[in-house]
Amino acid sequence: EVQLVQSGAEVKKPGESLKISCKGSGYSFSTFWIGWVRQVPGKGLEWMGIIYPGDSDTRYSPSFQGQVTVSADKSSSTAYLQWSSLEASDTAVYYCARRGGTYSSGYDFDYWGQGTLVTVSP
Amino acid sequence: DIQMTQSPPSLSASVGDRVTITCRASQNIKTFLNWYQQKPGKGPELLVYGASSLHSGVPSRFSGGGSGTDFTLTISSLQPEDFATYYCQQSYTLRTFGQGTKVEIK
Repeated sequence: EVQLVQSGAEVKKPGESLKISCKGSGYSFSTFWIGWVRQVPGKGLEWMGIIYPGDSDTRYSPSFQGQVTVSADKSSSTAYLQWSSLEASDTAVYYCARRGGTYSSGYDFDYWGQGTLVTVSP
Repeated sequence: DIQMTQSPPSLSASVGDRVTITCRASQNIKTFLNWYQQKPGKGPELLVYGASSLHSGVPSRFSGGGSGTDFTLTISSLQPEDFATYYCQQSYTLRTFGQGTKVEIK
């Protein structure tokens, strides 16, 4: 069974750093892209970036380029999303999701993690 | 950036109604269009990929259509479990989500 299990909720102060995780199981982690999606409470979905764990090829949304870093460790089947200096506006639920197919198939995010709530407050 | 515009932002409908949600891309995205359903407190779930292909396990009352810049998601007969928020998303260049359409009970 394919599963993406994310790390638990975090409460941080502005200016602090953070790294959250997404561990895949039940499939060949290295050969499927993993994306990250932000959802501010009560708002819509925002695509942040995507990584291919096999070679760490990474793409970012222009809105998030330079604001976060996406990485992956194929040896532990885990993808990461990190911030060097959090802001209150980073308060949101963050989801990881697996791209299940090839680009040409258009088959996109078929499995999602349960979400990680990040709260940034003084 | 490719912008995705959904309409309406919300709608009220009754069980059994036929419901159509539209999504417009700011440029030609061929059929690189996906639809997701999200229920309160849950993560999104893939409904339709490639504009018109149903994801495994999705009921046949859901259907997707369109190509280029204009797309639709139709629910032929709304069921109680379909009350949720629906998002379109392009995968032609990077990714962009629409703003969402909340389907509420009338």
